[in-house]
Amino acid sequence: GQQVMQIPQYQHVQEGEDFTTYCNSSTTLSNIQWYKQRPGGHPVFLIQLVKSGEVKKQKRLTFQFGEAKKNSSLHITATQTTDVGTYFCAGRGGATNKLIFGTGTLLAVQP
Amino acid sequence: NAGVTQTPKFQVLKTGQSMTLQCAQDMNHEYMSWYRQDPGMGLRLIHYSVGAGITDQGEVPNGYNVSRSTTEDFPLRLLSAAPSQTSVYFCASRFGQGEAFFGQGTRLTVV
Repeated sequence: GQQVMQIPQYQHVQEGEDFTTYCNSSTTLSNIQWYKQRPGGHPVFLIQLVKSGEVKKQKRLTFQFGEAKKNSSLHITATQTTDVGTYFCAGRGGATNKLIFGTGTLLAVQP
Repeated sequence: NAGVTQTPKFQVLKTGQSMTLQCAQDMNHEYMSWYRQDPGMGLRLIHYSVGAGITDQGEVPNGYNVSRSTTEDFPLRLLSAAPSQTSVYFCASRFGQGEAFFGQGTRLTVV
């Protein structure tokens, strides 16, 4: 079945440093979504990418969808303490209605 | 609008007991899903539904049952609780292939 892996599993950075998490799917995805989960909270939608090679930006966050639609990345420039949390990618493969989540990357930011 | 409402927030069960986790949404979303979250495993799909009367299995369906008699409600039943089912459970709903909205989660401990 469809599997979605993320690396790294955990990242600790100093405030102001950049951060990147990578998402890789075993199958081609029709779209990719990114979510953020604050400690003790629930996942909250950040963005959706649909087109091959698509790049979207939200302030300090940059999202990319790979050309083959099997991988994606989230890059945060100049991290802040408010960026702390777990970042998940999620995707649907082909005609399935299942939204499969990645394993997540926990980001810790030291002031 | 309340969004996605899950009850209870916390639950402790003894091995072998059964219980139902409730999930309700007031956004008229056709898609509803149940996920479990375990450390290092991300969010794994248990069961999902594409509309009233239609359900299907996700990645980890064993030990769980679901039904969808109305658009609003999607309860998750644990038939005979086991310690391996200790987890945080999230219900989510979405419209079409758009963003998923999550409930606050249920933290379940099976002793």
